[in-house]
Amino acid sequence: DTAVSQTPKYLVTQMGNDKSIKCEQNLGHDTMYWYKQDSKKFLKIMFSYNNKELIINETVPNRFSPKSPDKAHLNLHINSLELGDSAVYFCASSQQTGGDEQFFGPGTRLTVL
Amino acid sequence: ILNVEQSPQSLHVQEGDSTNFTCSFPSSNFYALHWYRWETAKSPEALFVMTLNGDEKKKGRISATLNTKEGYSYLYIKGSQPEDSATYLCAPYNTDKLIFGTGTRLQVFP
Repeated sequence: DTAVSQTPKYLVTQMGNDKSIKCEQNLGHDTMYWYKQDSKKFLKIMFSYNNKELIINETVPNRFSPKSPDKAHLNLHINSLELGDSAVYFCASSQQTGGDEQFFGPGTRLTVL
Repeated sequence: ILNVEQSPQSLHVQEGDSTNFTCSFPSSNFYALHWYRWETAKSPEALFVMTLNGDEKKKGRISATLNTKEGYSYLYIKGSQPEDSATYLCAPYNTDKLIFGTGTRLQVFP
């Protein structure tokens, strides 16, 4: 059973389009995260949700909007895609906030043309 | 901005060699320190979560120590095997989030 799953795995799209990436965890965790792996291979936190409530919102353009319909899902919607949005996006979850180990999804490679 | 530094950036060792890497982080406001193992084309997997100064954790041939007063952690791999080849990331937990270092890329040659 996949603990943290993301769809799609690959996403190729044109500049200006709107796209979504979905994330689901079946671990019963309360906290979920979105990370971006930048061009230098750093993993940087974008958002985190605890029990469907936003708790971290880093300096991310407001074209990025996370949505958590329930605590097992955290989706990422991106409006008006730009070339610089090309990256690998990872979803993760943990039991709680407060430093619990995080379980990562397989990543979604987004390419904006 | 929290500076997390890992050294070396990359390491090539022969099978059977023991090796270690360093993670340095600001010691103020310390809460926890995570180590993750990240194999190519996979996703990061947690190795250890350490919270107490002087903590030492072990999983098989891999162990880690923590010094929160001076802000560093060491990861040791005893008798490296080719399957240990991966990038090892450390990440202090600070103000509700993990701050990842750039990682140490380990390549173990048979």
